[in-house]
Amino acid sequence: GAVVSQHPSRVICKSGTSVKIECRSLDFQATTMFWYRQFPKQSLMLMATSNEGSKATYEQGVEKDKFLINHASLTLSTLTVTSAHPEDSSFYICSARDGINSLTGLFGQGTRLTVV
Amino acid sequence: AQSVTQPDIHITVSEGASLELRCNYSYGATPYLFWYVQSPGQGLQLLLKYFSGDTLVQGIKGFEAEFKRSQSSFNLRKPSVHWSDAAEYFCAVAPNQAGTALIFGKGTTLSVSS
Repeated sequence: GAVVSQHPSRVICKSGTSVKIECRSLDFQATTMFWYRQFPKQSLMLMATSNEGSKATYEQGVEKDKFLINHASLTLSTLTVTSAHPEDSSFYICSARDGINSLTGLFGQGTRLTVV
Repeated sequence: AQSVTQPDIHITVSEGASLELRCNYSYGATPYLFWYVQSPGQGLQLLLKYFSGDTLVQGIKGFEAEFKRSQSSFNLRKPSVHWSDAAEYFCAVAPNQAGTALIFGKGTTLSVSS
């Protein structure tokens, strides 16, 4: 069945380095993917919406130069946290939808990013 | 703007007792409604969703939710809670429109006592 796979599940990186998180749709094509961020004990906040083949739309307050999103194919979107700082440490989750049943409500398993 | 309110931050119920988690939404039309569960350090698992039709929706793990348009509510229920149900529960809405993201409530932490 349709699944959203996110990788890696955990990553630790040093300050100043970049980290790439992948979000893949399995058994369906995702024309739209969403990236969320979740702080400890808090809800999910939408960071950006990416549509295949076009630039991502970022939510207010999200630095697009820091959080680079690429949605180059119908099954893969990537989020790259550039020049990471400790305050970027968080839980990042992606969600994907196809073009027909556009409200599948499927989420990846999330990525725990720790910047040291 | 659309919003989701989960009035209860933390609920504790005894194992075997019934559970109801509240969710209210603010939206002009009938939105698409979701309930998710999240265990610590894990992603979101979809419990159930409501798009249209029967207002009582059955989900996985014995959960159900009822959409009440007059109250703008979509409360989650379970008749008998198990210790493994302890987790964070999120209600979410999406406008009746393709390509839009979900809007989440702040979540309710469920603790189960023995």
